Amino acid sequence: QSALTQPASVSGSPGQSITFSCTGTSSDLGGYNYVSWYQQHPGKAPKLMIYDVSNRPSGVSYRFSGSKSGDTASLTISGLQADDEATYYCSSYTSDTLEVFGGGTKLTVL
Amino acid sequence: QVQLVQSGAEVKKPGASVKVSCKASGYSFSSYGISWVRQAPGHGLEWMGWISGYNRNTTYSQRLQGRVTMTTDTSTSTAYMELRSLRSDDTAVYYCARDWKVTPNLETASLAFYYYGMDVWGQGTTVTVSS
Repeated sequence: QSALTQPASVSGSPGQSITFSCTGTSSDLGGYNYVSWYQQHPGKAPKLMIYDVSNRPSGVSYRFSGSKSGDTASLTISGLQADDEATYYCSSYTSDTLEVFGGGTKLTVL
Repeated sequence: QVQLVQSGAEVKKPGASVKVSCKASGYSFSSYGISWVRQAPGHGLEWMGWISGYNRNTTYSQRLQGRVTMTTDTSTSTAYMELRSLRSDDTAVYYCARDWKVTPNLETASLAFYYYGMDVWGQGTTVTVSS
């Protein structure tokens, strides 16, 4: 099972909006809306930020939003803050096994 | 509160086995599944497999099929992940995470699955494989 494709890194300045992409296939991300996004700070467990493409769990800031078009899902952070600096992973249901992760995108806040 | 607490760090020799535990509290263990995820040093997240807290059904990643076994003990609300024939590239932090709600439909004798993402994570267990 191949991982979902994410760019290795992205950067932005405080206050900006930034968008992460996550590309899959029709067997996973493109065929289902079971897409999630996770934030991971160094040395910490991942934290769920978005599920079902665009739903935010209770307690997650409104600055985080998700969407999907075809085989590509996106996570947008608006009003970038220093604490948003972390690695972001997408995941999706896959018909092959059950779930698959992307390789992760490291966000640097300049 | 809802939480998953994992067992402590392990150091194993190549060829050995390791068994990591994940104790759930604050929710109905049988209503959800548990996914196991690992992260090698400097690498991304790798989904290893999933076990149902309801009926112990499992599904494993193709990469680990044959070397990994996931089990549960509903009497203690604990999930276990055993990995055999350890190699140096199995050195990683291993996480358990609550994943997929499972609801039985007694009228149709079927199960319904609801996706809310991996919403609760254990603290991670470091497994080091070294001779």
